[in-house]
Amino acid sequence: LAKTTQPISMDSYEGQEVNITCSHNNIATNDYITWYQQFPSQGPRFIIQGYKTKVTNEVASLFIPADRKSSTLSLPRVSLSDTAVYYCLVGDIEPGNTGKLIFGQGTTLQVKP
Amino acid sequence: DTEVTQTPKHLVMGMTNKKSLKCEQHMGHRAMYWYKQKAKKPPELMFVYSYEKLSINESVPSRFSPECPNSSLLNLHLHALQPEDSALYLCASSNPLAGGWDTQYFGPGTRLTVL
Repeated sequence: LAKTTQPISMDSYEGQEVNITCSHNNIATNDYITWYQQFPSQGPRFIIQGYKTKVTNEVASLFIPADRKSSTLSLPRVSLSDTAVYYCLVGDIEPGNTGKLIFGQGTTLQVKP
Repeated sequence: DTEVTQTPKHLVMGMTNKKSLKCEQHMGHRAMYWYKQKAKKPPELMFVYSYEKLSINESVPSRFSPECPNSSLLNLHLHALQPEDSALYLCASSNPLAGGWDTQYFGPGTRLTVL
């Protein structure tokens, strides 16, 4: 499974856009990129998933360059409630794989007023 | 219903006790997972059940024994645990897509303390 590298922590202010970049140099052809959010003492919550180019949903955007060796999670106009740990995961969700996910160290985002 | 429930929320047990953690989902998912998470660390995969069969055991000690009685339920039986097993135990589920696996939905976890 591809290893991911993220910044350990980031600070931001309310209303700003936050971009968290994840490096996954040995991503495989069948691997998808998934981001989860986790608040203290809660289970991780799915944010967004993509394979290439750009994916957008009501919560975030995910930018993936053509070589797919990195990805950037973009959170528009963050609020205090976005303070959490954000995990980037790379894994093969294709047939023959059982959905095994390996979490990296995650990025602790602190949003300040 | 997109919820995964776990009971109990908190559990304190001695090293000689036998206890069980329970997980339930009613989303029709056919894969269920147990993760262990220590403080300020990422979740670590322990077991994966696929269509009610154990498909992955990440070299977990035998004092942890998983069980999947049916497609909606997942148990984790605990026996002779050590204090270092104290952690947040997370359950998750996912569904096979046409051609792959969908995203995992996590429960709130059981906070386990071993004395």
